Parts: sequence; C-alpha cells; structure tokens
Amino acid sequence: GAVVSQHPSWVICKSGTSVKIECRSLDFQATTMFWYRQFPKQSLMLMATSNEGSKATYEQGVEKDKFLINHASLTLSTLTVTSAHPEDSSFYICSARDRDSANYGYTFGSGTRLTVV
Amino acid sequence: RKEVEQDPGPFNVPEGATVAFNCTYSNSASQSFFWYRQDCRKEPKLLMSVYSSGNEDGRFTAQLNRASQYISLLIRDSKLSDSATYLCVVTTFSGTYKYIFGTGTRLKVLA
Repeated sequence: GAVVSQHPSWVICKSGTSVKIECRSLDFQATTMFWYRQFPKQSLMLMATSNEGSKATYEQGVEKDKFLINHASLTLSTLTVTSAHPEDSSFYICSARDRDSANYGYTFGSGTRLTVV
Repeated sequence: RKEVEQDPGPFNVPEGATVAFNCTYSNSASQSFFWYRQDCRKEPKLLMSVYSSGNEDGRFTAQLNRASQYISLLIRDSKLSDSATYLCVVTTFSGTYKYIFGTGTRLKVLA
C-alpha cells in the first residue's frame, strides 16, 4: 500500500531555533500533502494544504511565516517551524493520497513529536 | 458547534463485548466518511470507509445516516487489541478535499 515516510520521528530543540520536518511519498505521487498538528487529547487540526509547485494554503489562525511549507516535488513536502517556542510543542503529522489507488483514504506519515525547551 | 463531534469517552468494555460509537457532522455537503484508528502517540490508520448502504469488515460495521448527519461504528466481540482512539473523519471539497477530524472516542477493552 501507499507509504508516507516522515522524519524526524521526534525532535527536541531550544526556543528560537528552527526545525524542518520532511514527508516523502514512497512509490506514489502526492500532488497534495496535508499538514496537521495534534495537541494532547485533542483531534488533528489541519494547518495547511500544500500542492506541488505552488504556494501552500493555510488554515485560519496558522501563521504562514512561522510554518513554512515547501512542496517542490511530487514526492517531497517539508514543514519548517521557524523560531520555535514551547507553545509550538506538538505532534506534527502529514498525509497524502495515492490518487491512483482505489482506496480513498489518506495515508499518514508516522508523525513528528516536537518538544521545544 | 464543531464540524465533527464525537463523545471522547473513554468507553471501558470487557473483552467480547459489542460497542458502538456515533459521530455527528454539521456540513450537509460533506462527501466522504471514514473511521480511523489511532494508537497512543502514533499516526492514525484507516480502519474503514463508510458508505450509505452500510459496510462490514469482519467484526467492524459502519453506517452512515445522511438525513440525520451521523455515522456509526460497531465493534463486535471486542479484543484487547481494539483498545485505541477511534477517529471519525469527514471530507468536504472546496477546490481540494479537506479532511475534518473528530476529537476521537477512546476505547479500552478490559480483560
């Protein structure tokens, strides 16, 4: 089945630094990649939708200058948390769909647990 | 009102029990519906799609009621390994498909 590889799995960084998270679609082309954030005991909240070769669409309340998204190829999308602060600590997860698959569900990356200290 | 609402639980049930979860959604134009399973600190995994005619996959049965705007998941003969959070997902289309997640219902199957 479709696999989305997400790295790193977890990262601890100092306040003020930037962290890049990568999501790669393996064996399929991901025209669209979705980025979510999940705080403890809460649902996944869509942050932004990235489309290959164009600017990402951000959800209301998500700062585009803080969460930089790049989707330069059909198999790679990145999310950079710039100048991270402790309140950015969360579980970040990407998802994409193999458009050639009969399964209409989306495949998720394994997630990145970010802790900002 | 949230777009997708679920009872967060937890539902504590004994092994072998039958348990059902409901999920309501507010957007009548919603197009597709899914149940995902999420284990603690892991990514969600697709459990099953939900069709208007209802569908079954082994011990799991999903139903959709468009008129009342709710979907349900029934788990028969619960196993310990069914313990997880079950997420209701509804998609809408506005230029691109958006996945809207419910907060999830936590299930604990007890020995």
